[in-house]
Amino acid sequence: GAGVSQSPSNKVTEKGKDVELRCDPISGHTALYWYRQSLGQGLEFLIYFQGNSAPDKSGLPSDRFSAERTGGSVSTLTIQRTQQEDSAVYLCASSYLAGSSYEQYFGPGTRLTVT
Amino acid sequence: AQSVTQLDSHVSVSEGTPVLLRCNYSSSYSPSLFWYVQHPNKGLQLLLKYTSAATLVKGINGFEAEFKKSETSFHLTKPSAHMSDAAEYFCVVSDRSQFYFGTGTSLTVIP
Repeated sequence: GAGVSQSPSNKVTEKGKDVELRCDPISGHTALYWYRQSLGQGLEFLIYFQGNSAPDKSGLPSDRFSAERTGGSVSTLTIQRTQQEDSAVYLCASSYLAGSSYEQYFGPGTRLTVT
Repeated sequence: AQSVTQLDSHVSVSEGTPVLLRCNYSSSYSPSLFWYVQHPNKGLQLLLKYTSAATLVKGINGFEAEFKKSETSFHLTKPSAHMSDAAEYFCVVSDRSQFYFGTGTSLTVIP
């Protein structure tokens, strides 16, 4: 079946502009996650949605970052007034309960470059 | 609280020699543990997972990991490294549907 998809795959934007990144999770997966990965670095957790619960926004680095998940499926990560330090690969993942534990599957990422 | 510590940021091995990537975890209860691999400019792929069944877990591409509760460790091993194993490896602990990533270990394989 289809995996997690993200669009666009690459985005170049000017400093100060707003950007929207999209994530389509695997159908039936209840949880959705956004991470950021800067060049040569590990994963930085941003936000996490689980079912109808309030999202865990504890990883969002500033109030310029926001995310929503519509209808329990597609999610959009919005970065307002982009800065050069926002340049990174933004990864989306979704998960489902496989037996006794959740399994997480990642999309290919969106590479954001802020000039 | 859950967390993982990957003890080596970089490991270098010769092709054909064993691989050992170390991971220690902290968890308030019986954890679920995972290893993911990320090849250059690629997405993250699940290598293997431990979920309180057998303590020795076999994954893809000949990798294994052993859960040792007494040592709070979940080290990743492979008997013989291949050039295609060169990648970034992440150890992960989960708390139900929330996941906590280590900082990653970069594996270099020398021909």
